[in-house]
Amino acid sequence: AQSVTQLGSHVSVSEGALVLLRCNYSSSVPPYLFWYVQYPNQGLQLLLKYTTGATLVKGINGFEAEFKKSETSFHLTKPSAHMSDAAEYFCAFRRDTGRRALTFGSGTRLQVQP
Amino acid sequence: GAGVSQSPSNKVTEKGKDVELRCDPISGHTALYWYRQSLGQGLEFLIYFQGNSAPDKSGLPSDRFSAERTGGSVSTLTIQRTQQEDSAVYLCASAGQGDSNQPQHFGDGTRLSIL
Repeated sequence: AQSVTQLGSHVSVSEGALVLLRCNYSSSVPPYLFWYVQYPNQGLQLLLKYTTGATLVKGINGFEAEFKKSETSFHLTKPSAHMSDAAEYFCAFRRDTGRRALTFGSGTRLQVQP
Repeated sequence: GAGVSQSPSNKVTEKGKDVELRCDPISGHTALYWYRQSLGQGLEFLIYFQGNSAPDKSGLPSDRFSAERTGGSVSTLTIQRTQQEDSAVYLCASAGQGDSNQPQHFGDGTRLSIL
């Protein structure tokens, strides 16, 4: 079955350091890919999405992700972490045919140390 | 409102009782999704409504779960004869027309606890 895999259930970085959250997808056809963020006791907020076109996608709050077909990856990065970035991050994909629901990765909890 | 609204935000009930969870999607959004978020299973798809089409119920875990969407807007997720394993956060999302690449917008969820 098609899926996404997030490497690392917990990531800890220092404030100001680079944030890198990893996501790999398994699909013979590039799907639509998304990154969502979830703050405590809240729903999911869309950070960015990849559909077609430019492989480097810029999102909100300074995050960006690069779609690499050769590596089947869609890693999320931010050059400089801020304390407010501490949250759980989910990678998700959706096919362009058939079921339109999102399939989520298991999530990565980001901690930002002062 | 501007976003997806879910009620109640928290629900505690006894095992065996029925519960109803409500979702008000963003006005004009034709697609509506229910997901479940639990510690053991992560985020799972439950059911999908798109306009007047028959819903995709393929994610419902058992026949105790059902959902309806009245008038193409508000949706209710019903769980009958609740079990402790139903304890989870139930998230609703909606998406706009032509939703093949439209992002899903999520509500804050209903946290369901079965005693």
